[in-house]
Amino acid sequence: NAGVTQTPKFRVLKTGQSMTLLCAQDMNHEYMYWYRQDPGMGLRLIHYSVGEGTTAKGEVPDGYNVSRLKKQNFLLGLESAAPSQTSVYFCASRWGGAGELFFGEGSRLTVL
Amino acid sequence: TQLLEQSPQFLSIQEGENLTVYCNSSSVFSSLQWYRQEPGEGPVLLVTVVTGGEVKKLKRLTFQFGDARKDSSLHITAAQPGDTGLYLCAGAVANAGKSTFGDGTTLTVKP
Repeated sequence: NAGVTQTPKFRVLKTGQSMTLLCAQDMNHEYMYWYRQDPGMGLRLIHYSVGEGTTAKGEVPDGYNVSRLKKQNFLLGLESAAPSQTSVYFCASRWGGAGELFFGEGSRLTVL
Repeated sequence: TQLLEQSPQFLSIQEGENLTVYCNSSSVFSSLQWYRQEPGEGPVLLVTVVTGGEVKKLKRLTFQFGDARKDSSLHITAAQPGDTGLYLCAGAVANAGKSTFGDGTTLTVKP
């Protein structure tokens, strides 16, 4: 019963470094999402995908890129990390566009 | 962009008290969900409401969707320390493929 798995769970980067967060789901969900969560600001949508090979921008897409080459995986990339990208990142997935969201445990990223 | 405002932002109460959390918007949603998040974990769905005026009960939790489908409330009766957590509302618009989250209400229930 893996559900939604995020790797890595913790990462510290220096300003300007790049990295990729991986999200994997084993529920055959069509829709996948990347959110960031900052204190007092709830969850803000970065990018999302409505199916394999598709991606779309969310509320706060600048500085991030995504890819959905396989249905079960959704990758979030930071090309040149900035301190403003210090946050907890959550991946989520679901069958349809409005059903229950299943979340991973989060990835805590610190950019120095 | 649909915005969801939650109030209060923080709530600290004693065990046994009742409380209500609100989720308001100027936009109409086709469905609204409530999630609960504990520290170090991802949010977990509590309920989905889809019909204006709908009321759903989950043990001591009562959820209501406004008649105009723009707002919702969560009422907890006789709160317990296990209810402590971050409560998030999320609204979805039909065919948009995405949900908008409120900023959350942090609830602390003291024994």
